[in-house]
Amino acid sequence: NAGVTQTPKFQVLKTGQSMTLQCAQDMNHNSMYWYRQDPGMGLRLIYYSASEGTTDKGEVPNGYNVSRLNKREFSLRLESAAPSQTSVYFCASRGDRGSQETQYFGPGTRLLVL
Amino acid sequence: KQEVTQIPAALSVPEGENLVLNCSFTDSAIYNLQWFRQDPGKGLTSLLLIQSSQREQTSGRLNASLDKSSGRSTLYIAASQPGDSATYLCAGRSSKTSYDKVIFGPGTSLSVIP
Repeated sequence: NAGVTQTPKFQVLKTGQSMTLQCAQDMNHNSMYWYRQDPGMGLRLIYYSASEGTTDKGEVPNGYNVSRLNKREFSLRLESAAPSQTSVYFCASRGDRGSQETQYFGPGTRLLVL
Repeated sequence: KQEVTQIPAALSVPEGENLVLNCSFTDSAIYNLQWFRQDPGKGLTSLLLIQSSQREQTSGRLNASLDKSSGRSTLYIAASQPGDSATYLCAGRSSKTSYDKVIFGPGTSLSVIP
């Protein structure tokens, strides 16, 4: 099992450019999440998806869109990147029952917006 | 609204010491609490998950406890090793149906000195 994978690992964008961060999990989880992690701000939820075909806003959704392509994949899109979106982005998935409700994280995407 | 705090923010101990990391949460109606480890430049790795019906969980040298009435969880690390050096985060989930309500603490940065 690869767990949760993310691409790309690093990206540099200019202000106004767009990009899509890809995430996939092979654990057959229904729930998937996108977080951003910033110094002094901790982990903040951008969007989440409770199941295939559904998405909901988290704490900081402005400037982002998501797509739950299928059960495995959950992508995050920046339509017009801004310097404030410089951050480390983590995708996570979670199982549904008991001890399987553990959240598993991907390795992260480090994004720099100039 | 659930808030999660962690004390201390940073901790340095000599190798071999037993240590305790603290996590406090404001909403005692917590569904579960998870402890993570994050190495520099890496994603989060799940260590232990405690359901609200449980009081503790153990994995190797790690033991996590949960006291809902006092709003506290502790992570006990026995016989610390330099490889334990990392940032440790706790995260509380408010309810079974609150997919988005997983609140992360700011983390404790642990350094184990050889």
